[in-house]
Amino acid sequence: EDKVVQSPLSLVVHEGDTVTLNCSYEVTNFRSLLWYKQEKKAPTFLFMLTSSGIEKKSGRLSSILDKKELFSILNITATQTGDSAIYLCAVVEGGSEKLVFGKGTKLTVNP
Amino acid sequence: DVKVTQSSRYLVKRTGEKVFLECVQDMDHENMFWYRQDPGLGLRLIYFSYDVKMKEKGDIPEGYSVSREKKERFSLILESASTNQTSMYLCASSLRGGFYGYTFGSGTRLTVV
Repeated sequence: EDKVVQSPLSLVVHEGDTVTLNCSYEVTNFRSLLWYKQEKKAPTFLFMLTSSGIEKKSGRLSSILDKKELFSILNITATQTGDSAIYLCAVVEGGSEKLVFGKGTKLTVNP
Repeated sequence: DVKVTQSSRYLVKRTGEKVFLECVQDMDHENMFWYRQDPGLGLRLIYFSYDVKMKEKGDIPEGYSVSREKKERFSLILESASTNQTSMYLCASSLRGGFYGYTFGSGTRLTVV
């Protein structure tokens, strides 16, 4: 059973729209949650979240974690075609050297 | 600029060939990982290593082997390439504990014909 579940798996929007990507997790000994953006090649780091309720923000992107309900959201406002990518959510478990990844959300922003 | 470097961006090999994918990191990271990424399946862990000469199987190790003779280099070997190993292969590295996540290489798109 998947420990990290992302939804939706795929999303198509128009430029200017606001999108919310979801990531729920079920791991023991949670340490941190990370968001990555993957365009044509390597996933690149967006945010690391460790504490509930504290929003991380970078330009039009923001993310928040709810450790009680075991989920995180990634918001993108005023989307641009350059936001088209796969967005990956991953969780760090204490005692494990490996990240646990969700399957990703493929976002397509049309002009 | 710190980075993880994969030796090839695109590779085309024939069925039955032995294939070597190389990954080098310059961040002095203890952990290194090999994933394959396929549409709809996400990232799947093939092998990882938490120290020189140490290796652990991931979720899909069949048909693959690895080598880590030096801390900075982690090689993935396809013993006898098959068409179902056509995929994007991603290498990553991390500090011990993985708390800060991975740094990824740019990926190698392997096609086996």
